[in-house]
Amino acid sequence: GESVGLHLPTLSVQEGDNSIINCAYSNSASDYFIWYKQESGKGPQFIIDIRSNMDKRQGQRVTVLLNKTVKHLSLQIAATQPGDSAVYFCAEMGMDSSYKLIFGSGTRLLVRP
Amino acid sequence: SAVISQKPSRDICQRGTSLTIQCQVDSQVTMMFWYRQQPGQSLTLIATANQGSEATYESGFVIDKFPISRPNLTFSTLTVSNMSPEDSSIYLCSVVSLEKLFFGSGTQLSVL
Repeated sequence: GESVGLHLPTLSVQEGDNSIINCAYSNSASDYFIWYKQESGKGPQFIIDIRSNMDKRQGQRVTVLLNKTVKHLSLQIAATQPGDSAVYFCAEMGMDSSYKLIFGSGTRLLVRP
Repeated sequence: SAVISQKPSRDICQRGTSLTIQCQVDSQVTMMFWYRQQPGQSLTLIATANQGSEATYESGFVIDKFPISRPNLTFSTLTVSNMSPEDSSIYLCSVVSLEKLFFGSGTQLSVL
C-alpha cells in the first residue's frame, strides 16, 4: 500500500546511537504536546506527552524537551533500535482542552544496522 | 489505552461512489475525532464526533461531503461521499482515553 511520509525529512542513525528529532510548533498558547510514532500501514502510536508547565519529561528510552521561548519540541531516543524506524510526528493542543490536535509535518527515522 | 478497530482497513473505490468507514472502541469514550492523512502528509482534523451532539467540522470540511454518525459511546462512522481521486487518503479515528489521544489503524482509501 501507499506509505506514509514519502516526502518527509529523514534522519538516519546507526543502531545503538541516540536520535534527536526536532519540531517547531506554531502556537505560543499551546498547552499540551505529544509525540507519535507511525509505522507503515498503521495509525499513529502515542509515545510521550508533556504539559507546558514542564520543560522535560522522560519515558522508557525516550525524553521530550520543551523550549517555550523558541516554540521548540524535541524527542530524544536512547540506544536507537531497528524497531524505532518510523515516521515521528509532534502534535500540539491549546488550553481549551478540546483535544483538537495540530500535527507537525513529521520526520522519518531510519536506523542503519 | 483504548483499543480502536477500523473497518475497512483499505478499499479501492470508483469516483462518484461513497464509502462508510466504521470505528469501534472497546470502551466507552465521550470524545472521538476523525482525521485525514493525505499521501506523504501529516494528519488534519476533519471533525469532532462527540456522542449526544452534532459533529462539528473543521474549516475546509463539510457535512455533505463527510457525514458522521455517533450513535453510542463506542462506535462512530465517517462517510466519504461522491468520491474523487483527491479523496485518496488514510482516514483515522481517534479517541480520548485517560486524558490521552489514541488512534485507530486507519482506512487506506484509493479512488480511481
